[in-house]
Amino acid sequence: AQSVTQLDSHVSVSEGTPVLLRCNYSSSYSPSLFWYVQHPNKGLQLLLKYTSAATLVKGINGFEAEFKKSETSFHLTKPSAHMSDAAEYFCVVSDLNQAGTALIFGKGTTLSVSS
Amino acid sequence: DAMVIQNPRYQVTQFGKPVTLSCSQTLNHNVMYWYQQKSSQAPKLLFHYYDKDFNNEADTPDNFQSRRPNTSFCFLDIRSPGLGDAAMYLCATSRGSSGRGTDTQYFGPGTRLTVL
Repeated sequence: AQSVTQLDSHVSVSEGTPVLLRCNYSSSYSPSLFWYVQHPNKGLQLLLKYTSAATLVKGINGFEAEFKKSETSFHLTKPSAHMSDAAEYFCVVSDLNQAGTALIFGKGTTLSVSS
Repeated sequence: DAMVIQNPRYQVTQFGKPVTLSCSQTLNHNVMYWYQQKSSQAPKLLFHYYDKDFNNEADTPDNFQSRRPNTSFCFLDIRSPGLGDAAMYLCATSRGSSGRGTDTQYFGPGTRLTVL
């Protein structure tokens, strides 16, 4: 069965410093992996998606993530944080055993950005 | 712009009074999903439609029902809301024609339900 673990429930950075949000996954298949962002009282927005093509995936708003099979990791990074990046971030793996495409969510990481 | 629309954005209902939440999409996607998200938690899948085929998650309470009258619309009916049903309800869609597991889900802005 697939699962995903977000290693930090809360990450705090200063504006202009790098962001690292950590995610490990478990899957018996070659997984599809996603990062979604959720701003307060808003829906989820797709940041980026990995589907067994290039291991370094570039997303929107300067975010990128690297798929490392040997480490079963899919960490999200951004070189320079902006105040508008403050939000909840979810690492997600797709469940291939479902008829549709069920998503398995991590518990989320709250990113705080201070000026 | 193609998108997933949810109405209303905020809904207040009384304990035990039926309520219906609405979702529409202009993406012409085959699959539509309903998620429940409680405060500070990850979204939890309630059910999904693959075209007209309804798929209920095993632990979704009977109090929650759904209808999909056509490709564009999907409704979430809560027959007798309890205080524990207060949450954000998210609708999502996906194409459904990609290889299994590679489908991307696109989310609406959500409806925040308050139960008094």
